[in-house]
Amino acid sequence: KQEVTQIPAALSVPEGENLVLNCSFTDSAIYNLQWFRQDPGKGLTSLLLIQSSQREQTSGRLNASLDKSSGRSTLYIAASQPGDSATYLCAVKRNTGTASKLTFGTGTRLQVTL
Amino acid sequence: DAGVTQSPTHLIKTRGQQVTLRCSPKSGHDTVSWYQQALGQGPQFIFQYYEEEERQRGNFPDRFSGHQFPNYSSELNVNALLLGDSALYLCASSLTGTNVLTFGAGSRLTVL
Repeated sequence: KQEVTQIPAALSVPEGENLVLNCSFTDSAIYNLQWFRQDPGKGLTSLLLIQSSQREQTSGRLNASLDKSSGRSTLYIAASQPGDSATYLCAVKRNTGTASKLTFGTGTRLQVTL
Repeated sequence: DAGVTQSPTHLIKTRGQQVTLRCSPKSGHDTVSWYQQALGQGPQFIFQYYEEEERQRGNFPDRFSGHQFPNYSSELNVNALLLGDSALYLCASSLTGTNVLTFGAGSRLTVL
């Protein structure tokens, strides 16, 4: 059974700092890994998707890496801003095609202070 | 372009009652998945519908059932509600064969 763990559970940083969020998974037989953002009481917004054959993906100030063999992914946020405050979730997909469910971690709650 | 629409946004039920949640997928999408997110937890996969059939199911009891209509919209039904069913229920749609899921804002269910 796939288990996804995210560390830390919560993080508070001052504005402008660079930060790293961690995600680990127990079964390396994944098809892809996604990072999502969730604002309080809201749905999920996809940030980055990394295919199992890729090592990293970048979008603006966000960079996600994937080390499938070790079962780890990181989300790097550069020059953090108060608007980055949210919960960040990683999710892995085992099989190809949309018939396969996503398995989520419990998230890292990020607060960026002024 | 409308994204995924869920209704109602909030509702309160009592134990033993039944509830129906609704989801309209993003335009052009034909597959709908439902997730349950308890407070402080990550979403848990309930089931997925494609071509009006349940294609995959997570570890949820038979009290949880669903339906997909010819226009691709979907319903999630929960019978005999328990306090532990209190959660945010998220609907996600996709186009079969693609990897991109679009999530709705969710329906927050409180069971008293």
